[in-house]
Amino acid sequence: QVHLVESGGGVVQPGRSLRLSCAASGFSFDGYALHWVRQAPGKGLEWVAGISFDGSDEFIADSLKGRLTISRDNSRDTLFLQMNNLRPEDTAVYYCTRLYRVTTGDTFDFWGQGTMVTVSS
Amino acid sequence: DIQLTQSPSFLSASVGDRVTVTCRASQGVGTYLAWYQQKLGKAPKVLIYAASILQDGVPSRFSGSGFGTEFTLTISSLRPEDSATYFCQQLDTYPITFGQGTRLEIK
Repeated sequence: QVHLVESGGGVVQPGRSLRLSCAASGFSFDGYALHWVRQAPGKGLEWVAGISFDGSDEFIADSLKGRLTISRDNSRDTLFLQMNNLRPEDTAVYYCTRLYRVTTGDTFDFWGQGTMVTVSS
Repeated sequence: DIQLTQSPSFLSASVGDRVTVTCRASQGVGTYLAWYQQKLGKAPKVLIYAASILQDGVPSRFSGSGFGTEFTLTISSLRPEDSATYFCQQLDTYPITFGQGTRLEIK
């Protein structure tokens, strides 16, 4: 059974850093690309970043480039999101999700429960 | 960036009704379009991917269609548990983008 469990969220002051983790189980971790999606309170879904199965390719939303780094440790079945210089507008639930691919289309087929990040002084 | 526009933004319907949500893309995405259901306080759940493939375990009253720039999600006979927000998503081109959501209320 696929499980994705995020951790590392919390309340942080503007300008500080935070590292989110996503522990995976129940599937071959190194066979899948993984992504982060966030959702501000009462708002829609926003794709944040993605990383290929082996970590060789990284994709970051343009508005977040320079402040966010996505990485993975396939020996520990864990995905990371390093967030620097946090801003109040980064306040959101951050979800870890797995990319499932078929020839005619992709999807995020499994999601974690999310971890809340609040940026406030 | 590819913009996805869902309509309507809010929908109120009764149990047993057939409802349709539309998602229009600002440029063609082929069949790289997925639909998600999100209930309050929960993570999104995929319903449909590749425009029309029903995810395992999703009831057959959900269906999707479309290609290129226009897509639809249809619920053939509403049930009370379908009350949720529905999002479309394109995975054809980075950045991956989502529609703004359609909130479905069961009368």
